[in-house]
Amino acid sequence: RKEVEQDPGPFNVPEGATVAFNCTYSNSASQSFFWYRQDCRKEPKLLMSVYSSGNEDGRFTAQLNRASQYISLLIRDSKLSDSATYLCVVTAFSGGYNKLIFGAGTRLAVHP
Amino acid sequence: DTEVTQTPKHLVMGMTNKKSLKCEQHMGHRAMYWYKQKAKKPPELMFVYSYEKLSINESVPSRFSPECPNSSLLNLHLHALQPEDSALYLCASSQGDSMGTSTDTQYFGPGTRLTVL
Repeated sequence: RKEVEQDPGPFNVPEGATVAFNCTYSNSASQSFFWYRQDCRKEPKLLMSVYSSGNEDGRFTAQLNRASQYISLLIRDSKLSDSATYLCVVTAFSGGYNKLIFGAGTRLAVHP
Repeated sequence: DTEVTQTPKHLVMGMTNKKSLKCEQHMGHRAMYWYKQKAKKPPELMFVYSYEKLSINESVPSRFSPECPNSSLLNLHLHALQPEDSALYLCASSQGDSMGTSTDTQYFGPGTRLTVL
């Protein structure tokens, strides 16, 4: 089983749509959780950290359910510029250090 | 300013060449990382430096040799690479702490796209 699992997509949605991405992780000891966004041939960029209380940043809402080891990202009112790959990322303690474990990413394509 | 810079942006090298990738950050971060990313795959951790000391080597072949000259700079020396080493090489940095890499946010540079012929 992969440490972080995501639906690879692609999700093809029209502008203005609401889209939700899900992610599950296997290490119950993971302490930090993030969503990164990666455009084609570019570096990953932090979209938002994810907290148990849930957090919102404009059109983006992230939720964490520690009991179910489940993370979600909701994008409302999709824009063309939201088209990218969204990476679910958790930390894992290994060899005395915390490392980032990346999911394989979910591709989003927003069309006019 | 959450900026990590990397040079060069693109690099083409032969299997007998020796080259170096450079990474720089001026955010006062004490942890720096090298990742390798193949097309349509997530980044894979290669090395971690914490307080200028190598903390993690993810069983990377010796043809990749990292170096941390100071707290702002991270190099990756390349020698005798194989075509399958062609990839996007990403540098990242984070605040870090004395216990090693913390759970804090990592910021990525734009990467060096490496092609090995």
